[in-house]
Amino acid sequence: GAGVSQSPRYKVAKRGQDVALRCDPISGHVSLFWYQQALGQGPEFLTYFQNEAQLDKSGLPSDRFFAERPEGSVSTLKIQRTQQEDSAVYLCASSIRTGRTEAFFGQGTRLTVV
Amino acid sequence: GQQVMQIPQYQHVQEGEDFTTYCNSSTTLSNIQWYKQRPGGHPVFLIQLVKSGEVKKQKRLTFQFGEAKKNSSLHITATQTTDVGTYFCAGSGSSNTGKLIFGQGTTLQVKP
Repeated sequence: GAGVSQSPRYKVAKRGQDVALRCDPISGHVSLFWYQQALGQGPEFLTYFQNEAQLDKSGLPSDRFFAERPEGSVSTLKIQRTQQEDSAVYLCASSIRTGRTEAFFGQGTRLTVV
Repeated sequence: GQQVMQIPQYQHVQEGEDFTTYCNSSTTLSNIQWYKQRPGGHPVFLIQLVKSGEVKKQKRLTFQFGEAKKNSSLHITATQTTDVGTYFCAGSGSSNTGKLIFGQGTTLQVKP
């Protein structure tokens, strides 16, 4: 596709359930980012991949959050034992190269933990 | 850690009025980007500023980067209803990974 694709668009999880969110970046984009956006707030950085290497995971809020990008394209963000405070929109963004360049965002996955 | 503050949080204007949002960083930025997010949508890149004191224009939008590379502003002249949305500034520090620290955003409402 032409843009960054995320699935599912919406996810309702019961507290304690594990979830997996998928991001399909623009083909050939080296950099991939995950952000978390709470209602009425700006996106907050979670983690960064350069190809398949996870170079920065400083924004992951706890060890329940795990991200991977095994072949340097599709990425998955996994949240284990979901809590209500995990409810947010999870945005994936990709960039053609590293450094100071435009980020292309996907539509996001809205996660609601009940 | 690095913080980016943005004001105002909300702005309601009459169509045709001007609008400005301001962004301030606690640390010097290597660059600053601006994004627009429509209600229910995702952030869409508007522009990037890199040089100290840089000014860029896109039609009715004027973007500035401060001399100290710690603040920025977006000014819209003669707002239109299509300008409705939330405008975010996002700064990069020295890591050069492209990691962005976003401000809280300014939500613009335009009354026709």
